[in-house]
Amino acid sequence: GQNIDQPTEMTATEGAIVQINCTYQTSGFNGLFWYQQHAGEAPTFLSYNVLDGLEEKGRFSSFLSRSKGYSYLLLKELQMKDSASYLCAVKGGDYKLSFGAGTTVTVRA
Amino acid sequence: IAGITQAPTSQILAAGRRMTLRCTQDMRHNAMYWYRQDLGLGLRLIHYSNTAGTTGKGEVPDGYSVSRANTDDFPLTLASAVPSQTSVYFCASSKGESGELFFGEGSRLTVL
Repeated sequence: GQNIDQPTEMTATEGAIVQINCTYQTSGFNGLFWYQQHAGEAPTFLSYNVLDGLEEKGRFSSFLSRSKGYSYLLLKELQMKDSASYLCAVKGGDYKLSFGAGTTVTVRA
Repeated sequence: IAGITQAPTSQILAAGRRMTLRCTQDMRHNAMYWYRQDLGLGLRLIHYSNTAGTTGKGEVPDGYSVSRANTDDFPLTLASAVPSQTSVYFCASSKGESGELFFGEGSRLTVL
């Protein structure tokens, strides 16, 4: 089975930086994904890591360490529209995507 | 506009009734999935299909069935709904097994 842990909630101020950590234990590994989900909406793809290191995409970056079973999503220059749930998901050896419970980020003015 | 369409958007259902959630994609993706999302539990895989004509069981398949007669459609059926199946259901697709998932807008189902 898969075990994916991430914090339940985080709060930050507009313009600040927030780091969402994700740890995982899975049967096989074929990539780690981050999704953003606004309340009442569908999840949308943010980033994908399959090799160790940092992937940067605009204000968002994602890091992976396979040996430590660890990833983080870094959100820089926070904006009010970044208030959402952020889902860490791991593609296991069977190529099926398993999700963590999600981290709700609240951005304050 | 290309994407995934789910229907209905919302439904209230009496326990014991049969219900089919519809999902259609026009991206010609091979793989399709059904997830349910419950507060505090995240998204859990119900059933999946790697290609037309094949289906497989996910993490929580009991009480649900699927079919994949063609590439575009992947309906999810609850044969006899129970209150524990109250949830938000998301259909998703991907180009291949390793690709990112694209999600539909979800179907909110309440079983009373």
